[in-house]
Amino acid sequence: GAVVSQHPSRVICKSGTSVKIECRSLDFQATTMFWYRQFPKKSLMLMATSNEGSKATYEQGVEKDKFLINHASLTLSTLTVTSAHPEDSSFYICSAGLAGGPYNEQFFGPGTRLTVL
Amino acid sequence: AQSVAQPEDQVNVAEGNPLTVKCTYSVSGNPYLFWYVQYPNRGLQFLLKYITGDNLVKGSYGFEAEFNKSQTSFHLKKPSALVSDSALYFCAVRDTGNNRKLIWGLGTSLAVNP
Repeated sequence: GAVVSQHPSRVICKSGTSVKIECRSLDFQATTMFWYRQFPKKSLMLMATSNEGSKATYEQGVEKDKFLINHASLTLSTLTVTSAHPEDSSFYICSAGLAGGPYNEQFFGPGTRLTVL
Repeated sequence: AQSVAQPEDQVNVAEGNPLTVKCTYSVSGNPYLFWYVQYPNRGLQFLLKYITGDNLVKGSYGFEAEFNKSQTSFHLKKPSALVSDSALYFCAVRDTGNNRKLIWGLGTSLAVNP
């Protein structure tokens, strides 16, 4: 099946620093990738839709300048949390959709646990 | 507005018993429905989807789901639960806009007791 990786799996950083999270589709090309944030009470929040070669589409309420998304190739999207603060601590998950079919399922990465001290 | 509801925050079932995790949806037009499972501290895994065709959809790990258009439901079922099925289950429907987004339910925690 389609595999999506994320790196790092866990990161601890100091307040004010920036953190980059990578999302890779390992065995397929993904024209579209999605970034989610999952809160402790489990709900998933879509942050943005990342399209290869174009600007990401952010959901309402998500700060573009704080959560920088780059989708430089068909297999890699990155999320950079800039000037991280403790309230940014969360579980970040990416997913990728198979190119071609609009109704194909999304495949998810294993997630990145961010802790900001 | 499009939405997905998972009315049960938690479902408890004894091992070997049948399980049902409920999902209802509200969309304009034809719904494209998905179920995902999440194990602790992991990403989500695809279980099954309904796009068109038979109302009973079979998926991974022995799970199936029944699409009911009149009741706007897509409940997840399994005839005989395993302890290893204990996880968080999400129902989702594809956004009918041309953006391939999924609209998610809040998730249901399933606990299968030995």
